[in-house]
Amino acid sequence: EDQVTQSPEALRLQEGESSSLNCSYTVSGLRGLFWYRQDPGKGPEFLFTLYSAGEEKEKERLKATLTKKESFLHITAPKPEDSATYLCAVRGNNNDMRFGAGTRLTVKP
Amino acid sequence: EAGVAQSPRYKIIEKRQSVAFWCNPISGHATLYWYQQILGQGPKLLIQFQNNGVVDDSQLPKDRFSAERLKGVDSTLKIQPAKLEDSAVYLCASSLRPPFGGKNIQYFGAGTRLSVL
Repeated sequence: EDQVTQSPEALRLQEGESSSLNCSYTVSGLRGLFWYRQDPGKGPEFLFTLYSAGEEKEKERLKATLTKKESFLHITAPKPEDSATYLCAVRGNNNDMRFGAGTRLTVKP
Repeated sequence: EAGVAQSPRYKIIEKRQSVAFWCNPISGHATLYWYQQILGQGPKLLIQFQNNGVVDDSQLPKDRFSAERLKGVDSTLKIQPAKLEDSAVYLCASSLRPPFGGKNIQYFGAGTRLSVL
């Protein structure tokens, strides 16, 4: 069965303090790894899709990387508005999206 | 471009009552998904439609949950009767392409928060 584990569960950073979120996965035939951002009371907002090991994608202060076992979401010089829950999901051969429990990020000014 | 629309935003019911949620996907998106998100967890897929046909409902508790997508556009998810453990946010998502055979990005609505007392 496909599994996704995200760590840490919660992360508190000072504004400008760079860090990384981890997503470890086991999947039968990776067809895509997805990162979403979810703000309180809202649905997940799409950030990135990665399809193969070694692939990287960037958007503003965020950079996602992928290996055969895990993905990292690097946050460079975060701002308070980056505070949210970041969800990782994988799609395998069964074509279903399997989500992790998320990392709750708080950035203090 | 309008996003995925869901209603109501909030619903409070007593156990054993019935409830229905409505979803209107992004225009032109043939694939529609319903997810259940329990507090502190990631979304869990309940059912997936391709146009008006069910593709995957393996995780839908069919003794109490039902869903339909008449005419291949709007969809309704129903719970009858509700249990305490059904308290969650019900998210609807849609995608332009189906998940099999190609790149697929799901776009989510804001969800319906259900509280069962």
